[in-house]
Amino acid sequence: EAQVTQNPRYLITVTGKKLTVTCSQNMNHEYMSWYRQDPGLGLRQIYYSMNVEVTDKGDVPEGYKVSRKEKRNFPLILESPSPNQTSLYFCASSPASGDYNEQFFGPGTRLTVL
Amino acid sequence: GDSVTQMEGPVTLSEEAFLTINCTYTATGYPSLFWYVQYPGEGLQLLLKATKADDKGSNKGFEATYRKETTSFHLEKGSVQVSDSAVFFCALSDLGGSYIPTFGRGTSLIVHP
Repeated sequence: EAQVTQNPRYLITVTGKKLTVTCSQNMNHEYMSWYRQDPGLGLRQIYYSMNVEVTDKGDVPEGYKVSRKEKRNFPLILESPSPNQTSLYFCASSPASGDYNEQFFGPGTRLTVL
Repeated sequence: GDSVTQMEGPVTLSEEAFLTINCTYTATGYPSLFWYVQYPGEGLQLLLKATKADDKGSNKGFEATYRKETTSFHLEKGSVQVSDSAVFFCALSDLGGSYIPTFGRGTSLIVHP
């Protein structure tokens, strides 16, 4: 089954404790991205990657890191989480060519930073 | 740059009512347009799409027509059900431009029995 998986689905942590949210897709997509969703603000892009070893900042990259060492994986790293990073996070992937690029989303990770 | 503007919610309707959610866009190239739906507790999933002017996308009773002259892609459904309650996102992808998809802020739909 074609899918994007994220882990963990729920995470409660404390300020300053490094964490990683994993994202993996099995569709051989070139393009992957991370979003955060907050009430009243919609989806905001954090980072994206057009292919292996190619990453770039989105609209709200501060406090986050990413890496793309393999095509299928795109982990999101919070080196020193803060309460303002409490949010619902989505990973997405799509092909980087063709007539359109439908985004395939993971199920989301709800993060709470105390 | 590219942008998408959609009506603010929540939109509250009774079952069997007609639904319209407005979406307008600005883009420098020739974008493809999308509506995504997010059901409670889930990720976004593609609802429908249109790749060129005058195309009509449709799925699950929802429809939207790509109107280049008004730069719009309004979502409609003739008779909503309680199970349609969700958040709807309008989006565009400008394959002639940056390629990076642009999303609207989302519109929450609440349908009462």
